[in-house]
Amino acid sequence: GESVGLHLPTLSVQEGDNSIINCAYSNSASDYFIWYKQESGKGPQFIIDIRSNMDKRQGQRVTVLLNKTVKHLSLQIAATQPGDSAVYFCAESDRDDKIIFGKGTRLHILP
Amino acid sequence: KAGVTQTPRYLIKTRGQQVTLSCSPISGHRSVSWYQQTPGQGLQFLFEYFSETQRNKGNFPGRFSGRQFSNSRSEMNVSTLELGDSALYLCASSGGAGHSYEQYFGPGTRLTVT
Repeated sequence: GESVGLHLPTLSVQEGDNSIINCAYSNSASDYFIWYKQESGKGPQFIIDIRSNMDKRQGQRVTVLLNKTVKHLSLQIAATQPGDSAVYFCAESDRDDKIIFGKGTRLHILP
Repeated sequence: KAGVTQTPRYLIKTRGQQVTLSCSPISGHRSVSWYQQTPGQGLQFLFEYFSETQRNKGNFPGRFSGRQFSNSRSEMNVSTLELGDSALYLCASSGGAGHSYEQYFGPGTRLTVT
């Protein structure tokens, strides 16, 4: 598979537990945020997004929390499964519409 | 519906050469964005095309260029290749302009410059 980052932070989670992946963003003018999942050998896949006028959004087994005060974004995955093993990226976009990706976190699922 | 396709999947070039990568978006999508992914710098935005016009551009030198055709297919070109251009080049298509539309990524083209 593709090597998307040799020095990524890694989060190891027991199968069935909840995972929380954190991200600090840089631009206070960013008004749109996205989480992506990238599996080995594939391109990133959209998971969930949130606009700056919200502080929480829920999807299927995933929740994104946005704290604009401290410029922090988190992705919560409920009941983590082996198929959740991947690299997770947060991304931000401002009114210029340029998208900036974070460095990524590798989620490792323990059996 | 077929996903985003990129050709070729793998490519090896020599320093100083040029390269052209191709991206076919999902049918009906008019926006194509290109990204460079490296272990050191992560994912970086190159440019976005919408209706054959470059709509947005990242901070890459002029050696990186692109274009979009009337059928929304897009190509990117890198001239005078450098070792540091070795990367996974990803394209993503979406139904509208701007990144607030959900983007669908292709599998990427792995470029190795020797």
